[in-house]
Amino acid sequence: GQQLNQSPQSMFIQEGEDVSMNCTSSSIFNTWLWYKQDPGEGPVLLIALYKAGELTSNGRLTAQFGITRKDSFLNISASIPSDVGIYFCAGLSPHAGGTSYGKLTFGQGTILTVHP
Amino acid sequence: SAVISQKPSRDICQRGTSLTIQCQVDSQVTMMFWYRQQPGQSLTLIATANQGSEATYESGFVIDKFPISRPNLTFSTLTVSNMSPEDSSIYLCSVEDLGALHFGNGTRLTVT
Repeated sequence: GQQLNQSPQSMFIQEGEDVSMNCTSSSIFNTWLWYKQDPGEGPVLLIALYKAGELTSNGRLTAQFGITRKDSFLNISASIPSDVGIYFCAGLSPHAGGTSYGKLTFGQGTILTVHP
Repeated sequence: SAVISQKPSRDICQRGTSLTIQCQVDSQVTMMFWYRQQPGQSLTLIATANQGSEATYESGFVIDKFPISRPNLTFSTLTVSNMSPEDSSIYLCSVEDLGALHFGNGTRLTVT
């Protein structure tokens, strides 16, 4: 099946620093989604991208849908301690069929630690 | 977006027993999805639950082990049957809403 390569696997940064993480795939996706998961919680949607080249912001978060449709990145600016968590990318294949968001492929996650 | 409530939020179960996880959504949805997240891992789709028909299972998951019910458009259950320690995971219910997939808070299952 399809695979997403998410990097880095983990990051240790100081409060105030900017963060960047990305996902790449060998095949194209129609939709890219970025989630954050806090301990003991389910993943929460941060940003959804639906069009190649699309650049979308949500507060201090910015994500882009790569032109090739095979990659996406997420940037966090001026990190704060509550940014700590696991960030997942997810892609929806054009072959998933209909609105089969259950066919999302997830990256392995980036564990973010922010030191005050 | 849809509000998804799961219960129990966590449980510790004995090997060989079964646990049924409930998922309630605050709006009617066509499809509900059940995911598994093993410790330190990403999310894996178990099955898609449609109202009025049998669930569709992904490769590696079978109905006898993970029976699913979908009695109406706002509710679903996932049962983890004949549990073993390898079933210790977070089980997540999710629905599509407003162009994206949204998750409940999950059920953290520990099998001893």
